[in-house]
Amino acid sequence: KQEVTQIPAALSVPEGENLVLNCSFTDSAIYNLQWFRQDPGKGLTSLLLIQSSQREQTSGRLNASLDKSSGRSTLYIAASQPGDSATYLCAVIYNFNKFYFGSGTKLNVKP
Amino acid sequence: DTGVSQDPRHKITKRGQNVTFRCDPISEHNRLYWYRQTLGQGPEFLTYFQNEAQLEKSRLLSDRFSAERPKGSFSTLEIQRTEQGDSAMYLCASGLNRGEQFFGPGTRLTVL
Repeated sequence: KQEVTQIPAALSVPEGENLVLNCSFTDSAIYNLQWFRQDPGKGLTSLLLIQSSQREQTSGRLNASLDKSSGRSTLYIAASQPGDSATYLCAVIYNFNKFYFGSGTKLNVKP
Repeated sequence: DTGVSQDPRHKITKRGQNVTFRCDPISEHNRLYWYRQTLGQGPEFLTYFQNEAQLEKSRLLSDRFSAERPKGSFSTLEIQRTEQGDSAMYLCASGLNRGEQFFGPGTRLTVL
């Protein structure tokens, strides 16, 4: 059974801090890895998609890296803002049919 | 392009009743996925369509659950004889061949 683990489960930081969220997976034969943001009671918003041949992707203040050999991905958020408060989920994609999600990291950025 | 839409956004029903949810994917997307999410957990895969063909179903999808995508466009998810354990957020996502998924706002089901 594929497992995706996200650490920490919750994180509280003051505004302006840089932070790193972690995602680990048991099977390194991934196709893609996708990071999402979810606000309470809402659907998921796609942040970044990293294909298996890539090592990182950047969008604004977000940078996601992928190390397939060690089964890890990190999401780096620079200069955090209160509006970044949400749950961040990673999904590991083994083929078009199989998406496995972690339980998420709940981020609170304090003003 | 208005993104993935789902209807209804909220549904409250009594145990034993049938419910049906609808998902309208992004128009050019050939792949459509259904997930279930409970509080504090990530989404769990339920089923997947490529065009109108249902290509994969999770073991979570008991015989009380059925999904259709009759013309390869919108999809419906029906739950028969609902149970309290069916209470969850039901999420729909669509995508193209690159594997990236785009999610709708979800339907929150409460079974009393």
